[in-house]
This record gives sequence, structure tokens and C-alpha cells, in this order.
Amino acid sequence: SQTIHQWPATLVQPVGSPLSLECTVEGTSNPNLYWYRQAAGRGLQLLFYSVGIGQISSEVPQNLSASRPQDRQFILSSKKLLLSDSGFYLCAWGRAISGNTIYFGEGSWLTVV
Amino acid sequence: AQRVTQPEKLLSVFKGAPVELKCNYSYSGSPELFWYVQYSRQRLQLLLRHISRESIKGFTADLNKGETSFHLKKPFAQEEDSAMYYCALGNSGGSNYKLTFGKGTLLTVNP
Repeated sequence: SQTIHQWPATLVQPVGSPLSLECTVEGTSNPNLYWYRQAAGRGLQLLFYSVGIGQISSEVPQNLSASRPQDRQFILSSKKLLLSDSGFYLCAWGRAISGNTIYFGEGSWLTVV
Repeated sequence: AQRVTQPEKLLSVFKGAPVELKCNYSYSGSPELFWYVQYSRQRLQLLLRHISRESIKGFTADLNKGETSFHLKKPFAQEEDSAMYYCALGNSGGSNYKLTFGKGTLLTVNP
């Protein structure tokens, strides 16, 4: 069966520091991968998605970037965090077929102080 | 562009009462609709999808293309239904498949 893991689960970082959230998927190959941010009152916002190694699509302009160095690895990064980057970040995977379910990781709480 | 609107941020009902969580969408293509649920301290998970026409945990949702709606319904709410519910719209983008979510509705079922 397929599983998805993301870490760290919680993170407290000072403003201006770098960020790296990592996500890996097991039990499948060539998945679509997604980074969402969940913020109170704003729902789930798609930040990035990837259909293959090195292929990243950005949905909203922001202070973050994403990379996919391996087929089942998806990394969310920032060189310098802003207070507004605080939130709950969710990694997800799905098959590249319309109508398919997307499966979520357990999420990472980021607090920028 | 695709958009999902959940007009209610909060919904509170009593146990045994009917519940309806509203969802409206905007999409120029053929829509694929889902409901996701997030129980306390659990990960976001799929509740149901319109193409399956199924009932999960007593919940049903019918896609109404004329009204561009996909409301989630349950005739008799239970306390364990208390959770955050998200409506989601999938695009028909082939390999560029992605889900757009609404802002969510927090359902509280009171005893």
C-alpha cells in the first residue's frame, strides 16, 4: 500500500531563517505531488504541484519554493522566512489521472517568530 | 479558473438532526467534485467523490450541474461527525491534475 510521510511535524523558526520541509511517498511510482497550506479562514491553498522529477508548477507568488529531486520526494523551501509564512503545510500525492483521489500527509506546523 | 465556495464557516446542529453542508463551484470544464473531512488530530482524508455515487458514513452528495452545487447531506447527524469538511473541485487537466479546495466548514454536532 501507498504511504506518505512529511517532516518535521512542528517547526519554530525565526524571521529571516531558511526553511526545508520534506515529503516522501512510498509504494507508488511517478506520482503527482502537491504542497498545500492550510490557514484559518482561508482554507486549503495549493502552493505547488509537480508531475515529475524537476517539474514544478507554482500556483501563487510567494516567498517559498519547491523542488523534486527524486521521483517520490518533494521539498518545500525558503531562503528567508517571513512572519506571514506561518501556517500548516500539507504534502499530498495522487495519480496523474483526472478524477482521482489525492492523499494527504499529516502536515507540518510552521511558526515563524 | 476554478473556484469552490463554501458559504458557511461554522455549522452547529444537534444529534439526530439533518445536516447539509453547502458547496458551490465554478469551472468551465467537466467538474469532478469531492468532499474531504478532517477529524480532530487526524489527517485530511477523502469522504466521498461524486463519480462514485456512494454513501459514506451516512453522507451523500449529489452533483447539480444546473445549480453548480455539490452539497453534502446526512439525515441524522452523529456526534462523531463533528469535523472540518472541505469541498474540492478537480480539473480535467490530465497529467496536470490538481484539486482546488473551498475554505471549509466546521461542523459541530451537539449532544
